[in-house]
Amino acid sequence: GAVVSQHPSRVICKSGTSVKIECRSLDFQATTMFWYRQFPKQSLMLMATSNEGSKATYEQGVEKDKFLINHASLTLSTLTVTSAHPEDSSFYICSAADRAKTQYFGPGTRLLVL
Amino acid sequence: AQRVTQPEKLLSVFKGAPVELKCNYSYSGSPELFWYVQYSRQRLQLLLRHISRESIKGFTADLNKGETSFHLKKPFAQEEDSAMYYCALRDQAGTALIFGKGTTLSVSS
Repeated sequence: GAVVSQHPSRVICKSGTSVKIECRSLDFQATTMFWYRQFPKQSLMLMATSNEGSKATYEQGVEKDKFLINHASLTLSTLTVTSAHPEDSSFYICSAADRAKTQYFGPGTRLLVL
Repeated sequence: AQRVTQPEKLLSVFKGAPVELKCNYSYSGSPELFWYVQYSRQRLQLLLRHISRESIKGFTADLNKGETSFHLKKPFAQEEDSAMYYCALRDQAGTALIFGKGTTLSVSS
């Protein structure tokens, strides 16, 4: 079946630094990838939709200058948390949609900002 | 506005008992509805979708447009069904999923 990977699985960084999270579709091409944020014991909140070769579409309330998304190829999307603050600490999950628009999810990245 | 409501945070049942995880949605058009499952320490994975009308791992879900519901059912719960279940909606444009808050199913012997 379709597999989506995320790297790193866990990252700890200092406040003010930037962190890049990669999302890859391993065995299929994904024209669309999605980035979600999940707070403890809460649901997934869509942050942005990433389309290959074009600008990402951000959900209301999500700062595009803070959460930079790049979808440079059909198998890779990256999320960069810029000038991270402790309140950015969260679980970030990506998904990739195949041609049938079925979404396959990555395992998530745990970000802790000190 | 599009919304998915899962009224139960936690559902605890005994092995062999019937299970019904409730999901209601709010959408003006004809949405696609899904159930996703997340087992402990594993990633979110698709369980079933309404357009397939299939049964996966003994689970079924019927879309009731009159009641705007898509409840997940299983006649006899198993311990391995213990997991977090999310109901999700996708609009006709076929873009992102909107998730409910999830229901934790706990099946004990």
